[in-house]
Amino acid sequence: QQQVRQSPQSLTVWEGETAILNCSYEDSTFDYFPWYWQFPRESPALLIAIRPVSNKKEDGRFTIFFNKREKKLSLHITDSQPGDSATYFCAATPGTGGYKVVFGSGTRLLVSP
Amino acid sequence: EAAVTQSPRNKVTVTGGNVTLSCRQTNSHNYMYWYRQDTGHGLRLIHYSYGAGNLQIGDVPDGYKATRTTQEDFFLLLELASPSQTSLYFCASSRVNQDTQYFGPGTRLLVL
Repeated sequence: QQQVRQSPQSLTVWEGETAILNCSYEDSTFDYFPWYWQFPRESPALLIAIRPVSNKKEDGRFTIFFNKREKKLSLHITDSQPGDSATYFCAATPGTGGYKVVFGSGTRLLVSP
Repeated sequence: EAAVTQSPRNKVTVTGGNVTLSCRQTNSHNYMYWYRQDTGHGLRLIHYSYGAGNLQIGDVPDGYKATRTTQEDFFLLLELASPSQTSLYFCASSRVNQDTQYFGPGTRLLVL
């Protein structure tokens, strides 16, 4: 049972366009949602994270939009750059009674110059 | 910045072999995790721990044991390795569960 789903599996955009990566979850006890990115032959690293008290979190060109009612998130990357080409993982952690992080299967983003 | 190291970086063994993967973090984090990464599956949690001597079962624990000997050291044991355990293994640590996870460089394991 996949608790965190991501779509699309892969995405190609042109340099300068906005890339939109989607994530959905099932467990309503999840209340912390980090996004990690992973470059080829490297380890995952935290990119940006959001808690449900907010429906939007911005960090430069990266913005998370959060819809608690629909249990959906999306990561928007504006003015995409070739250096943004990576695999992006959406993850979720419950607030109480649980310690583990559940990762989605990832979206592979390619930004073409 | 958190420092998480893993050894070995690459390992080849045969079916039925005994393998120990090591992880050390030097940032005094309470939580440590072992993941495997396979194409199409993302990161799947094998075992995790929130302190020395503690062990929690993750989502794909079959065929794996783990031990947290100190706050710094977390080991993953494959006692009868099988080809299905060929994968890239990451160790990670975090201060608390809802906090940034810092990943090690990974260990690539091939089971022939």
